[in-house]
Amino acid sequence: SQQGEEDPQALSIQEGENATMNCSYKTSINNLQWYRQNSGRGLVHLILIRSNEREKHSGRLRVTLDTSKKSSSLLITASRAADTASYFCATDRMNYGGATNKLIFGTGTLLAVQP
Amino acid sequence: DTEVTQTPKHLVMGMTNKKSLKCEQHMGHRAMYWYKQKAKKPPELMFVYSYEKLSINESVPSRFSPECPNSSLLNLHLHALQPEDSALYLCASSFTNNEQFFGPGTRLTVL
Repeated sequence: SQQGEEDPQALSIQEGENATMNCSYKTSINNLQWYRQNSGRGLVHLILIRSNEREKHSGRLRVTLDTSKKSSSLLITASRAADTASYFCATDRMNYGGATNKLIFGTGTLLAVQP
Repeated sequence: DTEVTQTPKHLVMGMTNKKSLKCEQHMGHRAMYWYKQKAKKPPELMFVYSYEKLSINESVPSRFSPECPNSSLLNLHLHALQPEDSALYLCASSFTNNEQFFGPGTRLTVL
């Protein structure tokens, strides 16, 4: 399977704490993206980090990328109950050869933030 | 307009029915996608359209038939589905090599 792996599979924290999710992948990539999905709904794009970037910030989100280890992490700081959702990493493979990007999603982390 | 819309929200169909899922975006994206997502699993790519031409078919059974009538619309025609095809069907669109914008999905149940 080309699917990436995420860990932990599930994470439960208290409001105000930080949440860290990790993603490992198998192939060389153009970029890695993180998405959020509330239960049974569509995915919302959070952040995109390109293969030549090592760290990126967006609000309370911090993403790191280590292409030598084929891994990425997503840190959510000062979590809120509204952050409760599933989080997926998705890799956009290098040299796919098409005019479109083909995303391979990781297995996902289910985050529960307790008020 | 930064939204991808999908209709219907829910669909229940028998194995002999023919139905269609619809997706629309007005963001000028020239790539559109269909994904299938089973409960507690990540989305799996089914089809990709680029500039209204089918560019990727991930070995999807022929009972699923995609169509892209114009740059804003994407359809998924369903015929003779099986109960195991019950899932959330997600549509997305994007500019090339950028983030994808997802619709809310159609929850499909095949009886």
